[in-house]
Amino acid sequence: KQEVTQIPAALSVPEGENLVLNCSFTDSAIYNLQWFRQDPGKGLTSLLLIQSSQREQTSGRLNASLDKSSGRSTLYIAASQPGDSATYLCAPGRPRDMRFGAGTRLTVKP
Amino acid sequence: GAGVSQSPSNKVTEKGKDVELRCDPISGHTALYWYRQRLGQGLEFLIYFQGNSAPDKSGLPSDRFSAERTGESVSTLTIQRTQQEDSAVYLCASSLFPSGANTGELFFGEGSRLTVL
Repeated sequence: KQEVTQIPAALSVPEGENLVLNCSFTDSAIYNLQWFRQDPGKGLTSLLLIQSSQREQTSGRLNASLDKSSGRSTLYIAASQPGDSATYLCAPGRPRDMRFGAGTRLTVKP
Repeated sequence: GAGVSQSPSNKVTEKGKDVELRCDPISGHTALYWYRQRLGQGLEFLIYFQGNSAPDKSGLPSDRFSAERTGESVSTLTIQRTQQEDSAVYLCASSLFPSGANTGELFFGEGSRLTVL
């Protein structure tokens, strides 16, 4: 069974900072890895998807990297804004075995 | 449909009653997942359907929980004799099976919030 760990569990930063969220997983036999954000009381919104053959993906201020062999992914958020405040979840994708980390709860202070 | 649709969005029930939660996946998505999220906690895998294959029920917490899916369409999660610890948001997700150009991207519904009194 895939085990997913996200560090840190919580992060509070002032607006404008660049930050890195970490995700590690135990089974590298994945076909993709997705990063999601979850706002309080809401469902999950997909941010980025990295296929197993790729090493990174970028969308606006977000950049996600994947090192499949070491079982790690990072989400880099540039120039953070208060609207980025949410819980960020990573999900290494395997058929029949989509597991989630507990997430990193991010607070960006104005 | 345009997205994953779940109903009801909110359900309040009395302890001991049965409840049914419905998920309508994106049209053509062969894979469907149910997750449970208790207040302040992470997503807990419940069950996975893929096409006509036998479902992976390994995450169902007890025999009070069951789920069905008709072909590649709607899925129903049933909780019998509900208990207070069943209170949670139940999230459904669907995807294409990853192959070729299909990335296997997972799409979530907004969830069904269940409160057991």
